[in-house]
Amino acid sequence: GQNIDQPTEMTATEGAIVQINCTYQTSGFNGLFWYQQHAGEAPTFLSYNVLDGLEEKGRFSSFLSRSKGYSYLLLKELQMKDSASYLCAVRDLSGNTPLVFGKGTRLSVIA
Amino acid sequence: DAGVTQSPTHLIKTRGQHVTLRCSPISGHKSVSWYQQVLGQGPQFIFQYYEKEERGRGNFPDRFSARQFPNYSSELNVNALLLGDSALYLCASSLERDYEQYFGPGTRLTVT
Repeated sequence: GQNIDQPTEMTATEGAIVQINCTYQTSGFNGLFWYQQHAGEAPTFLSYNVLDGLEEKGRFSSFLSRSKGYSYLLLKELQMKDSASYLCAVRDLSGNTPLVFGKGTRLSVIA
Repeated sequence: DAGVTQSPTHLIKTRGQHVTLRCSPISGHKSVSWYQQVLGQGPQFIFQYYEKEERGRGNFPDRFSARQFPNYSSELNVNALLLGDSALYLCASSLERDYEQYFGPGTRLTVT
């Protein structure tokens, strides 16, 4: 089966750094995605990891450890507009589902 | 470049009715996937179509059906609507079956 866990809610201060963790269990892992979703809008792609290590893209970085079934999304220099839900999604080639999503982490950035 | 488009944006239906949602993928993308997202949850996979054939089906009842047309656009049909079908329905397209997915703006369905 497939199982993806991430914290439900997080709060951080403007200008700070926040790390959102995601753990997963799949049998046919073939990549992990992070999406950002503002309330009432569609998810937008942030990052993709298929090999172990850190991928950096501006203020956002994503890390993957396949042996531990673990990923995190790191957001630096937080801005108020970063308040959104962050979805961890795993591509699992063993089943019929192209992407399996976690429930999302709702991040609130406060002044 | 046009992204994934979906219609309608919002829809209100009554229990027992039928609904058809439409999706146009990014030009050149051959795969379309449908997801249901209930408030406060992550998207749940419903269907994937690739080259007009169903390539994946999630854990949804037979009231849900879909198809993909020769131009790669897609329709999602839901019969005998229930209150629990109220959700944001997302369409995502990708170049090939297992490539990165791009989401459309979604259709907000409310069943009363």
